[in-house]
Amino acid sequence: GQQLNQSPQSMFIQEGEDVSMNCTSSSIFNTWLWYKQEPGEGPVLLIALYKAGELTSNGRLTAQFGITRKDSFLNISASIPSDVGIYFCAGRNAGGTSYGKLTFGQGTILTVHP
Amino acid sequence: DGGITQSPKYLFRKEGQNVTLSCEQNLNHDAMYWYRQDPGQGLRLIYYSQIVNDFQKGDIAEGYSVSREKKESFPLTVTSAQKNPTAFYLCASSDGKLAKNIQYFGAGTRLSVL
Repeated sequence: GQQLNQSPQSMFIQEGEDVSMNCTSSSIFNTWLWYKQEPGEGPVLLIALYKAGELTSNGRLTAQFGITRKDSFLNISASIPSDVGIYFCAGRNAGGTSYGKLTFGQGTILTVHP
Repeated sequence: DGGITQSPKYLFRKEGQNVTLSCEQNLNHDAMYWYRQDPGQGLRLIYYSQIVNDFQKGDIAEGYSVSREKKESFPLTVTSAQKNPTAFYLCASSDGKLAKNIQYFGAGTRLSVL
């Protein structure tokens, strides 16, 4: 099946630093979603993006829907220890049916050192 | 509380045994999904259902079966034909009627082979 290329695979940062991660696809998407997963739990939605160029914030998190519709970016500012987890991007193909079948990136593992 | 409930949290399978993972949602969502998660990989779609009494194969359906007899329930059976069943299994649901529908996830079931 189709996969998204998510990078970096892992990040080790100090508390207070900013974080950036991104996803790219060979296909055009009409929706980009960013999820966070903590150990032993299911992913939780952070931000949803629906229009090319859209920039959306959720607290210290900011995500953008790339102009080409083939990429998306997530930034976390002033990281704190509870930001630790796996961050996944997910996209839905343009022209897909409304039931919302998603393609997921491989995830970015974030570790924050106090 | 509204949400998606997966059970059990941990499950062990013996050689040649079929096991069934439960997924129940009280969000009144039409669509439900099953994903498999392996370390270092994104979520891979096993089966999905857009409506009661209908379901479709995802990207890795071999060795799995599902049923959708009720809107609230979408159980997944891992059959003996699945030779590498050890993984974290995630169930999700979404309101298929909305163009901007979001998938919401349960807390997962971790399946191991004895």
